[in-house]
Amino acid sequence: AQKVTQAQTEISVVEKEDVTLDCVYETRDTTYYLFWYKQPPSGELVFLIRRNSFDEQNEISGRYSWNFQKSTSSFNFTITASQVVDSAVYFCALSEWNFNKFYFGSGTKLNVKP
Amino acid sequence: NAGVTQTPKFQVLKTGQSMTLQCAQDMNHNSMYWYRQDPGMGLRLIYYSASEGTTDKGEVPNGYNVSRLNKREFSLRLESAAPSQTSVYFCASSEGFGGRGGNQPQHFGDGTRLSIL
Repeated sequence: AQKVTQAQTEISVVEKEDVTLDCVYETRDTTYYLFWYKQPPSGELVFLIRRNSFDEQNEISGRYSWNFQKSTSSFNFTITASQVVDSAVYFCALSEWNFNKFYFGSGTKLNVKP
Repeated sequence: NAGVTQTPKFQVLKTGQSMTLQCAQDMNHNSMYWYRQDPGMGLRLIYYSASEGTTDKGEVPNGYNVSRLNKREFSLRLESAAPSQTSVYFCASSEGFGGRGGNQPQHFGDGTRLSIL
């Protein structure tokens, strides 16, 4: 079974719109970690955020915010007032404490048009 | 800061040829990983090394072998390349140690684009 699902394959928005990228995960562990990575057109993978399963507090970093809800097994990522530079593929990932392995979703490609 | 360095950046092989992809990290990380990225499939784990001297299979290990040469270096070998192995390969490292290290983010190299004809 797929452990991380990113159902949105591709999203297109116009600059300054808000956009939310969905991530749903599956695990039986009580201790786990969730991550978001950004892959711009240049191809490198950039770490954005890490959350652990015991901390459901939402986090905001500038225009980025993350909503972690254990009840729905979701870890969604919102970009406020999107910019062209936000155009990238965004990956959600899960790691389970006991296994030191990471499971990535298939990614969501975000296109921000001027 | 070099971080994770992968060589080569691009390579074209013929079916049946062998090749080793090199990866080195200078962050003193314990764990290292090899992924392949294919369109629409995200990153899939090929092999990982939770600590120096250990290696384990990931999701798609068939057709590959790995060597954790030392703490810094983790190589991926294709013994007999096949067109299905055409992909972008990423090496990553993290501070995680042994079997319990999933709390640490991974740091990625820039990738190797491999085409097999």
